[in-house]
Amino acid sequence: GQQVMQIPQYQHVQEGEDFTTYCNSSTTLSNIQWYKQRPGGHPVFLIQLVKSGEVKKQKRLTFQFGEAKKNSSLHITATQTTDVGTYFCAAHHNTNAGKSTFGDGTTLTVKP
Amino acid sequence: DTGVSQDPRHKITKRGQNVTFRCDPISEHNRLYWYRQTLGQGPEFLTYFQNEAQLEKSRLLSDRFSAERPKGSFSTLEIQRTEQGDSAMYLCASSLPLGQNTEAFFGQGTRLTVV
Repeated sequence: GQQVMQIPQYQHVQEGEDFTTYCNSSTTLSNIQWYKQRPGGHPVFLIQLVKSGEVKKQKRLTFQFGEAKKNSSLHITATQTTDVGTYFCAAHHNTNAGKSTFGDGTTLTVKP
Repeated sequence: DTGVSQDPRHKITKRGQNVTFRCDPISEHNRLYWYRQTLGQGPEFLTYFQNEAQLEKSRLLSDRFSAERPKGSFSTLEIQRTEQGDSAMYLCASSLPLGQNTEAFFGQGTRLTVV
């Protein structure tokens, strides 16, 4: 079936270091979303990317959608302790489908 | 609070019993989704509704699972003859229709433990 691979599974950084998580699909995506889930919490929507090569920024977060629309990345500059959590990509393979295929997430821990 | 609400938050049941969970979506959202999440994994799609119509159901879902959204508002997810492997967090989410912002708003989830 359609799968989305997300790497790395875990990332431990010192506060102030940068962080990147990658999401890869074997098939072309219609769009991709990113969510953040804090420990004990539920996924919270961050961004949606639709266009090939799209780049969006939210303060210290930069989201990219690959030219082939098969991969995406989330980069956080100068991490803070509030960035702790698991970051998931959620892929849509069909513009008419409501189903999202989630990656298994990258769990970020930040040492103060 | 006008977010997605799920009830109950926790459920402990004996193997073989039936359980039912409820989800109340954001009122103007006509799409409603059920996901299952286990530790260390991303949410796994179970099914989704557009209004009262169930448009897609995961092939991974056994016949013991059924979901309804009779009036296009709240939804229920029933698991019959529960098994220990059903232990997980069951998440509900809602969104606006396709063509608009399809951001999914998740509820707090129902944590099921089958003993």
